[in-house]
Amino acid sequence: DVKVTQSSRYLVKRTGEKVFLECVQDMDHENMFWYRQDPGLGLRLIYFSYDVKMKEKGDIPEGYSVSREKKERFSLILESASTNQTSMYLCASTRRGYEQYFGPGTRLTVT
Amino acid sequence: DQQVKQNSPSLSVQEGRISILNCDYTNSMFDYFLWYKKYPAEGPTFLISISSIKDKNEDGRFTVFLNKSAKHLSLHIVPSQPGDSAVYFCAASFTGGFKTIFGAGTRLFVKA
Repeated sequence: DVKVTQSSRYLVKRTGEKVFLECVQDMDHENMFWYRQDPGLGLRLIYFSYDVKMKEKGDIPEGYSVSREKKERFSLILESASTNQTSMYLCASTRRGYEQYFGPGTRLTVT
Repeated sequence: DQQVKQNSPSLSVQEGRISILNCDYTNSMFDYFLWYKKYPAEGPTFLISISSIKDKNEDGRFTVFLNKSAKHLSLHIVPSQPGDSAVYFCAASFTGGFKTIFGAGTRLFVKA
């Protein structure tokens, strides 16, 4: 079974803090994704990566950056957290590119 | 501009009956469609998919129908079970699957 793990289930940060969200997958998948899920908006793609050190912007990259130094690990960075970044963050991975395997999510609250 | 729309935020169905979840899309370049199921406090899990060259795909109690001319997708669950109560996301992908657009989700309640 594919396993995608995320470093925290719940996180509370203050406005202006730098926030790191980490994601690890154990199936040697090439492609990894970061989404945020908000009520009424579904899942929106922030960034994705199709190889180590490669990254592409998704639909809402503003205020975020990513890092992929190892194939199994994909990190999402909030350089200076703001209250409008309070959300559920979901990491996913895939080999073929269609069916994605998701982690359990990190609920981030920025106060 | 929502390219994938699930117009029903919620749906309530009696156990044993059919659940029909609907999804509309606007971009004719999508070539693959998927349904994901999400329980509270868990990430979405893949349920069923369909290629744009097909009009139906079946997997046990779950069937997905695709009407390309109407740009409409539906998921049928027969018979519905209380364990099917979850949020269902419709998703559409372009070739290669790197860019997947998700709908807002429909919360299904199956009453015992």
